[in-house]
Amino acid sequence: KQEVTQIPAALSVPEGENLVLNCSFTDSAIYNLQWFRQDPGKGLTSLLLIQSSQREQTSGRLNASLDKSSGRSTLYIAASQPGDSATYLCAVSLTSGTYKYIFGTGTRLKVLA
Amino acid sequence: DAGVIQSPRHEVTEMGQEVTLRCKPISGHDYLFWYRQTMMRGLELLIYFNNNVPIDDSGMPEDRFSAKMPNASFSTLKIQPSEPRDSAVYFCASRQGTEAFFGQGTRLTVV
Repeated sequence: KQEVTQIPAALSVPEGENLVLNCSFTDSAIYNLQWFRQDPGKGLTSLLLIQSSQREQTSGRLNASLDKSSGRSTLYIAASQPGDSATYLCAVSLTSGTYKYIFGTGTRLKVLA
Repeated sequence: DAGVIQSPRHEVTEMGQEVTLRCKPISGHDYLFWYRQTMMRGLELLIYFNNNVPIDDSGMPEDRFSAKMPNASFSTLKIQPSEPRDSAVYFCASRQGTEAFFGQGTRLTVV
């Protein structure tokens, strides 16, 4: 059974810091991995999608990497800003045509001004 | 496109009542997913459809839960009868290809 874990569960950093959020999964047979952002009381917003054949994806100050063999992904946020404060979720999409996402437990980020 | 649209945004109901949550996926998307989010269990997949056909409902917690997708532009999640432990935020998501798009969710409170 695929399990997805995110560490740390919560993180508080001063503005301007570069930071790394971690996501690990137990079964390397994934179709893709997606990072989402969730603001309080809101839905999920897709940040980055990495296909199983890719190693990383970048969008602005965000960079996500994927290492299937070790069952890990990281989300790197450069020069963090207070507006980055939110919960970040990673989700893996399973192979064999199931196309369903298994979500991690989330990292609650607070960037202090 | 307006994105995935869910209604209502908030629902408060009494235990034992029937609750119906609604979702309009993004036009052209062929997959639709229903998720439930709670503090204790995080985001859990309840059921998903492909081309309006239910593919996997193994996440539906009990027979009190049912979901339908009568056409490509509409889906419902029904709880009958509702119980306080059903209180959660219910999300609908749609997808075509590899990326999923989520609605704003329906916050359900059963008292």
